[in-house]
Amino acid sequence: QVTLKESGPVLVKPTETLTLTCTVSGFSLSNARMGVSWIRQPPGKALEWLAHIFSSDDQSYTSSLKSRLTLSEDTSKSQVVLTMTNMDPVDTATYYCARVIPFYQDTSGFQYYFDSWGQGTLVTVSS
Amino acid sequence: SYELTQPPSVSVSPGQTARITCSGNSLSKKYAYWYQQRPGQAPVLMIYEDSERPSGIPERFSGSSSGATVTLTVSGVQAEDEAEYFCQSADSSGRVVFGGGTKLTVL
Repeated sequence: QVTLKESGPVLVKPTETLTLTCTVSGFSLSNARMGVSWIRQPPGKALEWLAHIFSSDDQSYTSSLKSRLTLSEDTSKSQVVLTMTNMDPVDTATYYCARVIPFYQDTSGFQYYFDSWGQGTLVTVSS
Repeated sequence: SYELTQPPSVSVSPGQTARITCSGNSLSKKYAYWYQQRPGQAPVLMIYEDSERPSGIPERFSGSSSGATVTLTVSGVQAEDEAEYFCQSADSSGRVVFGGGTKLTVL
């Protein structure tokens, strides 16, 4: 059974750095055919993909936040860590980690989708 | 930036058929995926590669594609299907994009 669980602070102050950990089970982070993504959802709003990692050499970030995001993984602990710098109240959201499956088509390149999700963790940015 | 457009809401009576659309220029070239999100819960993958259903997803959920529009169809809607539904695809660079979500209300 695949499970993912997010952990981290529930409250951060503006300008601080957020560090979230995703602990997975039921699959290996060493398996290059699947990875871990972070997706967030502000209260009452849509989902927003942030980043994903398949290995320490294979990561991708959303363009609008690329300068603030860093992903790392510890395969021995089955953990993926997301850091987001310079937090702002607009970053208040539920942050999800999810298992990401890549799919390749000759005609259209890579696509990704999310077949298992963590329960999410609400992070509030406030002084 | 690339966008996927969904209607904000769809309402149907129990037993009827609900259709939720998702439009985007790249959908004729890229697959679409659909997620169900009940209040206070994480999203659940309902449809992948336009029309495939993961194991455990009821047969009343189906997906289809026509040009730049994909459609999630829920046949014989049940009260438990009331939820937010999000489509997802990719832009020309392969980066993930989500639609704005559609609230399905069962009257």
